[in-house]
Amino acid sequence: SAVISQKPSRDICQRGTSLTIQCQVDSQVTMMFWYRQQPGQSLTLIATANQGSEATYESGFVIDKFPISRPNLTFSTLTVSNMSPEDSSIYLCSVEGGGRETQYFGPGTRLLVL
Amino acid sequence: GEDVEQSLFLSVREGDSSVINCTYTDSSSTYLYWYKQEPGAGLQLLTYIFSNMDMKQDQRLTVLLNKKDKHLSLRIADTQTGDSAIYFCAEHNAGGTSYGKLTFGQGTILTVHP
Repeated sequence: SAVISQKPSRDICQRGTSLTIQCQVDSQVTMMFWYRQQPGQSLTLIATANQGSEATYESGFVIDKFPISRPNLTFSTLTVSNMSPEDSSIYLCSVEGGGRETQYFGPGTRLLVL
Repeated sequence: GEDVEQSLFLSVREGDSSVINCTYTDSSSTYLYWYKQEPGAGLQLLTYIFSNMDMKQDQRLTVLLNKKDKHLSLRIADTQTGDSAIYFCAEHNAGGTSYGKLTFGQGTILTVHP
């Protein structure tokens, strides 16, 4: 299985500011995914990030609000822009396992927007 | 679109078996998963099953899949207090524009009483 780390693990931010979340994987992976878990809710896919191409966003999520970078095969960032209290969530990155039938998740970034 | 549903709560006594149920709507699902989330932690992949199988056993865990009824269950034998967590069912659609996307249920909160 892949070992995934995320930074920061948690943060408290003021509304109107932006936060960039980093995701690092211990092996090269083609696809990386960013999910959001709102308080007491399930996980929702924000976007899929492939190295060397623009991220693909799910319905309801836009690049201006959640810009994503994927500079190489082991790293990605998600920025939450112009934050409001509704953005308070856990943000998780995930990667496909070697056989592509599994997905492993990072520990998550717990974000509170005041 | 895809939809995955689970019951929200399950309470069992230590040593008993737990059965967590899940239904899904996407008949083209290729893999179905069970993830575990402990308080303050990320998601841990417990087990998964390919859609052409009807059962998979892994130590204390047994997954049953009824593809006709689109029903998935996770049985935990000899449930321990350390099994208390939120359990998420997820399905994977490997085709079309949803490649790699996992659709999650809302999670079942399992509480194990001594």
